[in-house]
Amino acid sequence: GQSLEQPSEVTAVEGAIVQINCTYQTSGFYGLSWYQQHDGGAPTFLSYNALDGLEETGRFSSFLSRSDSYGYLLLQELQMKDSASYFCAVRENSNYQLIWGAGTKLIIKP
Amino acid sequence: SQTIHQWPATLVQPVGSPLSLECTVEGTSNPNLYWYRQAAGRGLQLLFYSVGIGQISSEVPQNLSASRPQDRQFILSSKKLLLSDSGFYLCAWNTGTGSGYTFGSGTRLTVV
Repeated sequence: GQSLEQPSEVTAVEGAIVQINCTYQTSGFYGLSWYQQHDGGAPTFLSYNALDGLEETGRFSSFLSRSDSYGYLLLQELQMKDSASYFCAVRENSNYQLIWGAGTKLIIKP
Repeated sequence: SQTIHQWPATLVQPVGSPLSLECTVEGTSNPNLYWYRQAAGRGLQLLFYSVGIGQISSEVPQNLSASRPQDRQFILSSKKLLLSDSGFYLCAWNTGTGSGYTFGSGTRLTVV
């Protein structure tokens, strides 16, 4: 079956670095996306990895290893506004539908 | 620039009543359109997607339906709501180029 596994909750300190992991099991794979969702809000797109390696966008980076069916989102210099839920999602086929993980709630302490 | 509008923001409806949620996209043509539902503290469940006018694919059997009467308009409907239809409904679009989805602001539906 299809499944994406990510931790339900991660706690970190303001200014620190945190990594949110995602492992997936899908029948096909075109790419891995990450989304941020603040409480009560809609998800916003952060990154998309189709190829192995690290993609950096400001304080956020995303990594993919297709051979390991694994990816992670790295957040550096954490700020209180980064407190949110983070979702990984796999594009499984040539249609642009996504399979979503259950989300990781990131709690940041001062 | 592209924008997506979704309304209403919140809705409280009695069991058995009808539902109509509307989503419109501006600034792009022939987008892929999606309806998702999110239960509290959970991930996103794809309900319907559309790659063109009148083309609707359903992912989950339920008492909901979707229609796309115009290129940039996507409507989610129900003839009779159930308690289990409560949730956060999100409309989204993408261009089909592998870039991310853009979501509307969502409708929080409570069926009572």
